Amino acid sequence: DAKTTQPPSMDCAEGRAANLPCNHSTISGNEYVYWYRQIHSQGPQYIIHGLKNNETNEMASLIITEDRKSSTLILPHATLRDTAVYYCIVRASGGSNYKLTFGKGTLLTVNP
Amino acid sequence: EPEVTQTPSHQVTQMGQEVILRCVPISNHLYFYWYRQILGQKVEFLVSFYNNEISEKSEIFDDQFSVERPDGSNFTLKIRSTKLEDSAMYFCASSRDRQNSPLHFGNGTRLTVT
Repeated sequence: DAKTTQPPSMDCAEGRAANLPCNHSTISGNEYVYWYRQIHSQGPQYIIHGLKNNETNEMASLIITEDRKSSTLILPHATLRDTAVYYCIVRASGGSNYKLTFGKGTLLTVNP
Repeated sequence: EPEVTQTPSHQVTQMGQEVILRCVPISNHLYFYWYRQILGQKVEFLVSFYNNEISEKSEIFDDQFSVERPDGSNFTLKIRSTKLEDSAMYFCASSRDRQNSPLHFGNGTRLTVT
């Protein structure tokens, strides 16, 4: 699987946008970028994913650079409940290897 | 919204005992997974399962582990002879397809081996 690099921690003020960066310089052309988060010891929660184009859903926006070597997850108006570990994952494609491989992620702390 | 459900939420067992962790994946999903997370560590892949066969397994998934889809709705993880180091959160997940469909995770079973 292509590796990803994320800052270990970030802070954000409540109500402000949280921009979480991720580098995935070795991504292959048909590999997707997925974002998950984990609050305390709950199960990982799916946020968003994309291949080339920017994506937006009710939770977040995903901006992928044109060369696909990096991406940014944007939480437009962070709340205290968004405090979690955020994982950027590149998902392998093809064959029998389609699992998600979790790294250490970014601990986002939203402050009042 | 459909979700993955896992039972029990907490299981305590003695070393050497067998445990079965149960999961009900989302009904129209075809791919199933088990992950574990030891306290304070990363979420680790154990096994993926499709069409009643293991697709991929990690080094962690040794002969002590097995998976089964016994009745078309449940997906189970069995640990034959538990060890202290098996204490962890175990997460089940499912997905509709194997690339462009997200995995949806349950809230886990906390296994404590004493």
